[in-house]
Parts: sequence; C-alpha cells; structure tokens
Amino acid sequence: DTAVSQTPKYLVTQMGNDKSIKCEQNLGHDTMYWYKQDSKKFLKIMFSYNNKELIINETVPNRFSPKSPDKAHLNLHINSLELGDSAVYFCASRRSGRAQGDTQYFGPGTRLTVL
Amino acid sequence: DQQVKQNSPSLSVQEGRISILNCDYTNSMFDYFLWYKKYPAEGPTFLISISSIKDKNEDGRFTVFLNKSAKHLSLHIVPSQPGDSAVYFCAATLNYGGSQGNLIFGKGTKLSVKP
Repeated sequence: DTAVSQTPKYLVTQMGNDKSIKCEQNLGHDTMYWYKQDSKKFLKIMFSYNNKELIINETVPNRFSPKSPDKAHLNLHINSLELGDSAVYFCASRRSGRAQGDTQYFGPGTRLTVL
Repeated sequence: DQQVKQNSPSLSVQEGRISILNCDYTNSMFDYFLWYKKYPAEGPTFLISISSIKDKNEDGRFTVFLNKSAKHLSLHIVPSQPGDSAVYFCAATLNYGGSQGNLIFGKGTKLSVKP
C-alpha cells in the first residue's frame, strides 16, 4: 500500500496551459504539504494545509493553488504555466501535534516539464 | 538565504567504512532536525531525526549528532553499504506561529558507497 501517492508521475505540457497534480495519503494524517524541487535540487515548501488553515509561502505565485476536497487529498492546480514552473513537485503529509514528531512522509514526486 | 546548509555536494566512501554527512544551520529557533534519503525518481524517505533537547540519536547503523552551540549536526552511517548510495537531505523545522512544521531543507549530499 502506497502511503502518499501522486498522479501523474510525469507531466509534459505547453506554456499557458492549466494543469493539476493530485495527491492522496492513506496514513490518516491531517496536515499536507506541497514542495518544489527546482533545477538546483533545492526542496522548498510551497504550501502547508490542515483542515483549519492554509499557509502559503509568500514566494509562490498566485497561479498556484492547493485544493483539498477532504483530509486525505491535497491537489495542486497551476494556471497559465510558465517555463520556470518546470520542476519536480512533491506532496507530503504529517500527523499534527508535537508528540508525533515532525516526520513528514513524501510522495514519489511529479516531474513537470513546460515546453 | 539558506538557513540549512550542506556544504559537501558529494561524498565517496568505501563499503564497510564510516560515512559522515554534515549539516549546518543558522536559525537558533529550529527545534527538530531530520535526515531524509532520496533515490533517483523517488520521493525523500525519512531516515532519522533528533530533537533540539538531545545531542545524539541512534537507530541501527545510523546515528545523528547535534551540536547546538555550533549549530551543526551530522549523520554517521557505519558500516556503509552500497545500498546507502543516495542523496541525503538534512532538514530542520520550528514550531511557532503558523509554521505548521514546514521542513526547511539543505541542498543535499550525494553519497556513493563503493564495493
């Protein structure tokens, strides 16, 4: 059983298109995240979300928006794709509460290529 | 401005020897540190963590040491095995305000263990 899954694994699209990446976790966690790994291999937080609060990294363009239909899913929508959006996007989840530690569990990643 | 730094992009070690991966941080408010291991085309996998109130945590062949005064942590792998060859990311988190446990990652160190 895959704990955190993402679809698709690869996504190739043209500039200007709108696309979505789906993320699902079956761990019963209540906090989910999206990270971006750029060409320099930096992993940077984009969003964190639990059922109470969405926190957005201020450097993320508003073309990116997370959507959570329920606690097990946090999808990433990207409008008007640009060349610089090409990267690997990772979803992650965690059970909130410091007693649980801060371990996050990551999905396999989605490699987005914008042409 | 990198708050978590891994200054060695790569490390090569002979099988059976010790691997030491280093990580420095700048934010004294970080209170939890984690190491993740990443294989190509996969998501980061949690390896080991340490709370800022401890100076050592051990799990099998993996030991993490934390020196708060130097703002430095290290991951020791002994004995190293070829299957340990991967990119290792150091990460830190802090728990105040609206951080929601966001992980702040270093750039990673690519470990190669030679048979």
